[in-house]
Amino acid sequence: GENVEQHPSTLSVQEGDSAVIKCTYSDSASNYFPWYKQELGKRPQLIIDIRSNVGEKKDQRIAVTLNKTAKHFSLHITETQPEDSAVYFCAAFGSEKLVFGKGTKLTVNP
Amino acid sequence: DVKVTQSSRYLVKRTGEKVFLECVQDMDHENMFWYRQDPGLGLRLIYFSYDVKMKEKGDIPEGYSVSREKKERFSLILESASTNQTSMYLCASSPPRVLRRELFFGEGSRLTVL
Repeated sequence: GENVEQHPSTLSVQEGDSAVIKCTYSDSASNYFPWYKQELGKRPQLIIDIRSNVGEKKDQRIAVTLNKTAKHFSLHITETQPEDSAVYFCAAFGSEKLVFGKGTKLTVNP
Repeated sequence: DVKVTQSSRYLVKRTGEKVFLECVQDMDHENMFWYRQDPGLGLRLIYFSYDVKMKEKGDIPEGYSVSREKKERFSLILESASTNQTSMYLCASSPPRVLRRELFFGEGSRLTVL
């Protein structure tokens, strides 16, 4: 089945810097890659997603890139703000179910 | 807005007790899921259902069962709770879209088994 590896597990940046979180997946048939953000004490929420026929997608300060050949995808957050502090999960849809990475705790220091 | 409601935010149970976690969604979604969230382990799928009375095992189904008698309700059952089932349980639902499988999560149920 699908296996998703996510790195780093923790990431600390200064406000205004960029943050990058990377994920790899194992199932070449996976075709949908969402990213979820979970603020402390709250439910995970979808922030951006990408399909396998697209290489990059942007939404304001966040962007996701996908390299199907290498089977990895990344989340890029530019001009980070304290409210970006959260746990971020990548996921891959393979074999009819969504498999999540273990999460990255991002801390943005003012 | 989609609303996914989990019946209990916090539960404390004793080893061997039968535990029911209830989840209700109000958007007529076909798909419903139960995940378990543990620090450093991410979100792991326990069971999921794509239709009423239908269920599929996820990655960690051992020790759990589910029930989906109505489209809006998906229950997770721990037949005999054990201490290693102490965790945060998250229910989610999604519409049957092929291209965008967004999950809508509930607030979570934090279960402690003593």
